Amino acid sequence: KQEVTQIPAALSVPEGENLVLNCSFTDSAIYNLQWFRQDPGKGLTSLLLIQSSQREQTSGRLNASLDKSSGRSTLYIAASQPGDSATYLCAVRGGSYIPTFGRGTSLIVHP
Amino acid sequence: EAGVAQSPRYKIIEKRQSVAFWCNPISGHATLYWYQQILGQGPKLLIQFQNNGVVDDSQLPKDRFSAERLKGVDSTLKIQPAKLEDSAVYLCASSFPTSFRDSPRATYEQYFGPGTRLTVT
Repeated sequence: KQEVTQIPAALSVPEGENLVLNCSFTDSAIYNLQWFRQDPGKGLTSLLLIQSSQREQTSGRLNASLDKSSGRSTLYIAASQPGDSATYLCAVRGGSYIPTFGRGTSLIVHP
Repeated sequence: EAGVAQSPRYKIIEKRQSVAFWCNPISGHATLYWYQQILGQGPKLLIQFQNNGVVDDSQLPKDRFSAERLKGVDSTLKIQPAKLEDSAVYLCASSFPTSFRDSPRATYEQYFGPGTRLTVT
């Protein structure tokens, strides 16, 4: 059974810092990995999706990398802003096409 | 393009009552998911449909939860009878492709609705 762990559970940083959020998974036979953002009381917004054959994806200030052999993905946020404050979740889709989520990293960026 | 629609947005019921949630996926998305998200946790997959067939429902408490997607478009999730521990946000999501595993566009990127917050008292 796939297990997904996100570290750290919570993070509070001043504006302007570069951040790294981590996602690890136990079964490396994955189809893809997707990063989401969730604002309080809202649904999930897709940020980046990495297929198993890819090493990284970039969108604006966000960069996600994937290392299947070590069972890890990182989400890099450059020059953080207060508007980046949210919970960040990763979801791993295994070979059976069933997605498994981590518990998320709660991020606060203060001015 | 319209997003995933869910209703109601909020529901408060007493334990042992029943409740139903509705979801309409993005047009053309064959895969539909129902998740339960308890406060402070990640979403837990309850059931995944491909068109009107069930792909996985291994984490659905079948003694009290049921879900259907009769025409392969919108879906209903029901809880009967509700327990206190069912208090959570119920999220619906949808993704491509139209044919399972075979489409070159089969990224399975998930798009989520706003969720339904259920409180059981």
